[in-house]
Amino acid sequence: EAGVTQFPSHSVIEKGQTVTLRCDPISGHDNLYWYRRVMGKEIKFLLHFVKESKQDESGMPNNRFLAERTGGTYSTLKVQPAELEDSGVYFCASSPSGMNTEAFFGQGTRLTVV
Amino acid sequence: KNEVEQSPQNLTAQEGEFITINCSYSVGISALHWLQQHPGGGIVSLFMLSSGKKKHGRLIATINIQEKHSSLHITASHPRDSAVYICAVKGSNYKLTFGKGTLLTVNP
Repeated sequence: EAGVTQFPSHSVIEKGQTVTLRCDPISGHDNLYWYRRVMGKEIKFLLHFVKESKQDESGMPNNRFLAERTGGTYSTLKVQPAELEDSGVYFCASSPSGMNTEAFFGQGTRLTVV
Repeated sequence: KNEVEQSPQNLTAQEGEFITINCSYSVGISALHWLQQHPGGGIVSLFMLSSGKKKHGRLIATINIQEKHSSLHITASHPRDSAVYICAVKGSNYKLTFGKGTLLTVNP
């Protein structure tokens, strides 16, 4: 069975450009999470989807970040326009329905804004 | 102060040594996760526990809910255990709160 996959693995963009990250969760997992690690800091929560609905987006830094999960399958995270402080590693995780189910993480997307 | 504190931040050991990584948290939790990330790699879930102790191969994780503390032990450490080990807790909602991680280096 395929795990959580993320695309691209690396992205280098200029300040002001737009970048879209994609996450394909494990098939059948209702819960999908986006997390981010900024250099030197701990991983922080961005948002949580249950199927196609945003359950919690309290961790989204600002309105330059837009996440979608159309049809409740894969998710995209768009940053527009990108700023230098958006650089970091963006992780996606998915888990089956239920509160204490195990989360499976993707490899992450390393975003560098120059 | 972070809600999840790990110690030590960095740990260097010789192959074969017994390793302990500690995690303390300040909030009520429903579960605690131990995660592993190899250099350049993704995050792998090692354990999810809400009480007691779990063992998988050479890895053992314990949690004391009253003391809000968990430990990850590695017996007979090996260079391939070199990685960042991350403690993360889940509260009453679904999201995880992470510690900063412990960088473990096991030398041959």
